[in-house]
Amino acid sequence: GESVGLHLPTLSVQEGDNSIINCAYSNSASDYFIWYKQESGKGPQFIIDIRSNMDKRQGQRVTVLLNKTVKHLSLQIAATQPGDSAVYFCAETWGQGGKLIFGQGTELSVKP
Amino acid sequence: GAVVSQHPSRVICKSGTSVKIECRSLDFQATTMFWYRQFPKQSLMLMATSNEGSKATYEQGVEKDKFLINHASLTLSTLTVTSAHPEDSSFYICSANPGTTQETQYFGPGTRLLVL
Repeated sequence: GESVGLHLPTLSVQEGDNSIINCAYSNSASDYFIWYKQESGKGPQFIIDIRSNMDKRQGQRVTVLLNKTVKHLSLQIAATQPGDSAVYFCAETWGQGGKLIFGQGTELSVKP
Repeated sequence: GAVVSQHPSRVICKSGTSVKIECRSLDFQATTMFWYRQFPKQSLMLMATSNEGSKATYEQGVEKDKFLINHASLTLSTLTVTSAHPEDSSFYICSANPGTTQETQYFGPGTRLLVL
């Protein structure tokens, strides 16, 4: 079936550097995408979202880019901090109140 | 706002017993809640969609008689794992949708189930 996948299962960065986490999706009907952060033993925490009619959205230290042509999503974290260490999931959905399909996740490790 | 709680946070039970997990939306009403299961180092897998006042919709491969879902009010959904076995040990997470124009789901803190 269709699924959302990630290119990199693990990512290690130096504190202060920028991080880029990538995600490929395959459902062309998806119109809403979300990035979640999950710390060990906790539920996913909403980071940022983007609708399919946009190609970029910025938050505080985070930016999500959407390329519908190649069905690619990325999360950029500026000035990565140790507190950013976690697993990051992209998720896609379509319609209103639709179910989320999660990608496999990328574990981000920030070295001090 | 948009806080979702789960109870218990962790539970250990004997094989063959049933375990009930509660999911509550604390500051909003949720007509729809979702139940996920997550094994170590893996992604979240949707088990079922819980609809207030109606039957849950289960994903393919999820046994509805084993994972009983009840969504009796706009703030509470329960998942009961019946006749639990060691392979049911997992991290169970619920999410709730406020039902507004946005589709963002808010997740609970998860319940760690260990079946001995």
